[in-house]
Amino acid sequence: GAVVSQHPSWVICKSGTSVKIECRSLDFQATTMFWYRQFPKQSLMLMATSNEGSKATYEQGVEKDKFLINHASLTLSTLTVTSAHPEDSSFYICSAATGISYNEQFFGPGTRLTVL
Amino acid sequence: DAKTTQPPSMDCAEGRAANLPCNHSTISGNEYVYWYRQIHSQGPQYIIHGLKNNETNEMASLIITEDRKSSTLILPHATLRDTAVYYCIGLEYGNKLVFGAGTILRVKS
Repeated sequence: GAVVSQHPSWVICKSGTSVKIECRSLDFQATTMFWYRQFPKQSLMLMATSNEGSKATYEQGVEKDKFLINHASLTLSTLTVTSAHPEDSSFYICSAATGISYNEQFFGPGTRLTVL
Repeated sequence: DAKTTQPPSMDCAEGRAANLPCNHSTISGNEYVYWYRQIHSQGPQYIIHGLKNNETNEMASLIITEDRKSSTLILPHATLRDTAVYYCIGLEYGNKLVFGAGTILRVKS
């Protein structure tokens, strides 16, 4: 089946530093990748949609200059949290879609970010 | 996308069938019913989807009422590993997934 990996699985950083999270589709090419954020005891919230080779589309309320997304290849997307602060501590999850349908997405295992 | 409503939590005995209901009374004719689940501290996992016919795969069965206002996800023989949050999502082809609160299913031995 389609497998999506994320790296790192968890990260702890100091306030003000930047953190990069990688999302890879291991056995398929993902034309579209998605980034979600999940706070404790809440549901997943879509942050942005990225298509290979083009700029990401951010959801309302998500700062594009703070959450930099790069989708340079069909198997890799990265999310960089710039100048992270404690309120950015969350569970970040990526997903990948294989074709024009967004419906069947394959999710990564998530990255737990803790900002001290 | 159609708004869905699910009970916040359910318990099920191990080995028994788990029946998870979902109401989607505002669903349109083009909107599929998708089910995902999320085990604690993991990414969501696709389970099944359907439009108007009942569907079955290796994980579960999906029963959609004739008027498409509600559906039931059935896990035929629940195990402890099925403990998770189950999300019912009404989704038009090509649109983005929008996760609601879901149902916390606790499978107990």
